[in-house]
Amino acid sequence: DGGITQSPKYLFRKEGQNVTLSCEQNLNHDAMYWYRQDPGQGLRLIYYSQIVNDFQKGDIAEGYSVSREKKESFPLTVTSAQKNPTAFYLCASNPDGQGSSTDTQYFGPGTRLTVL
Amino acid sequence: AQSVAQPEDQVNVAEGNPLTVKCTYSVSGNPYLFWYVQYPNRGLQFLLKYITGDNLVKGSYGFEAEFNKSQTSFHLKKPSALVSDSALYFCAVRVSTLGRLYFGRGTQLTVWP
Repeated sequence: DGGITQSPKYLFRKEGQNVTLSCEQNLNHDAMYWYRQDPGQGLRLIYYSQIVNDFQKGDIAEGYSVSREKKESFPLTVTSAQKNPTAFYLCASNPDGQGSSTDTQYFGPGTRLTVL
Repeated sequence: AQSVAQPEDQVNVAEGNPLTVKCTYSVSGNPYLFWYVQYPNRGLQFLLKYITGDNLVKGSYGFEAEFNKSQTSFHLKKPSALVSDSALYFCAVRVSTLGRLYFGRGTQLTVWP
C-alpha cells in the first residue's frame, strides 16, 4: 500500500447523493487507475489516466466521473446515476503512463462504499 | 478480447504442503503476467510478474510462478504453505502500453493448520 493513500476507508451514502473518493500518490507515477471490486467478480476498471489533464473510460464508467488536475491526485466521484454503487473501490498507479508494459501496478488500501 | 481465468474459486491446503493456484489467459499479443495477493479489507499487494526470459519467476514470500506459453498458463506455486498465506489471490495480464490490467475473478486460498 505504500505511497498511495485513499480516503476515507469507509464511506456511507444515501441514495441520490454524489460522493467523492480521494486517491493521492507520492510515487511520481504518471498513470493512475480506479477499479471496482465486487465479491466473486474480480476487479473491473472504471477510469484511467495516463497523464495529467487526460483520462479515459474503462469497462464500467457509467455513473462515475473523474478528474486529473494534478499528477498526484485522481479523485473518483460516484454519482446518483450509478445504480449499484455499494462496492470496494481501489486506486492504483503505474510509473510510466506512456510506454511501459512491464511496469508493476501498485494499489492503495481501498475505500468501502455502502449505500444506505 | 483479453481475459484471465482462475478456474478455482477456492483452494484448500494443509500447512506444510505445496500449493498451486491456477491461472490461464487469452490475449492477442505478448502477455505480461502478474500475481497479486489481497488480505481482508486491504488493497492488492504485488507478488511477482513475468515479462520475458526464464519461465520460472520467483517473487515475494517464497512464491513462484511458471509461465507456460503453449498452455497459456501462469500458475502460482509455493513449496510449503503457511497459515499466513491464507488470502485472496488475483492473476492479471497486460498486453499493451496502455498499462491497464485485466484481472481474473480471484482464488480464495485457505491454509489449515
